[in-house]
Amino acid sequence: AQSVTQLDSQVPVFEEAPVELRCNYSSSVSVYLFWYVQYPNQGLQLLLKYLSGSTLVKGINGFEAEFNKSQTSFHLRKPSVHISDTAEYFCAVSEGGAGNNRKLIWGLGTSLAVNP
Amino acid sequence: GAGVSQSPSNKVTEKGKDVELRCDPISGHTALYWYRQSLGQGLEFLIYFQGNSAPDKSGLPSDRFSAERTGGSVSTLTIQRTQQEDSAVYLCASSQGGTGPSFGAGTRLSVL
Repeated sequence: AQSVTQLDSQVPVFEEAPVELRCNYSSSVSVYLFWYVQYPNQGLQLLLKYLSGSTLVKGINGFEAEFNKSQTSFHLRKPSVHISDTAEYFCAVSEGGAGNNRKLIWGLGTSLAVNP
Repeated sequence: GAGVSQSPSNKVTEKGKDVELRCDPISGHTALYWYRQSLGQGLEFLIYFQGNSAPDKSGLPSDRFSAERTGGSVSTLTIQRTQQEDSAVYLCASSQGGTGPSFGAGTRLSVL
């Protein structure tokens, strides 16, 4: 069965430090991969996505993620975080297929706390 | 263009009452999702509509929960005989193709 594991429930980090939020998934077929961000008291916003092509995907706010098929991972990275990056980050996976919409499977989220 | 719209934004109800939550998806999006997010928890899948196909209701927690989507557009999530454990933020999202769902701001339901 398809599943998504976000390996860290909480990640504390100092401002301007690099950060990596880890996401692993299980699926035997091709997948679409997503990272969403939820700022305090706000809705979910798409940060970036991998559908096909280059395995390094760049998103908004300086975030990027790399799809690693052999390790079934899609880790999110930022070289230098800001206080404003404090938020909940969710990884999601859907089994792909051109033109298809699929039910997304979600990780439980990683709470990123950026401290001054 | 307009995003996903949900109403009401907040709903306070008494235990045992029925509630209806509304979602207006982005125009042209064929897929519509309902999720529930409890305090400090991840996203709990409730139901998924895709075009004219039969909806995937596998996430509905009990038969008190139901949802419909009229004309392939607006969706209503109904919770009958609400219980305190139903208190949560109910999120609606819509998508088209593999673009990734766009989410509404949610309805915060409080059952007293």
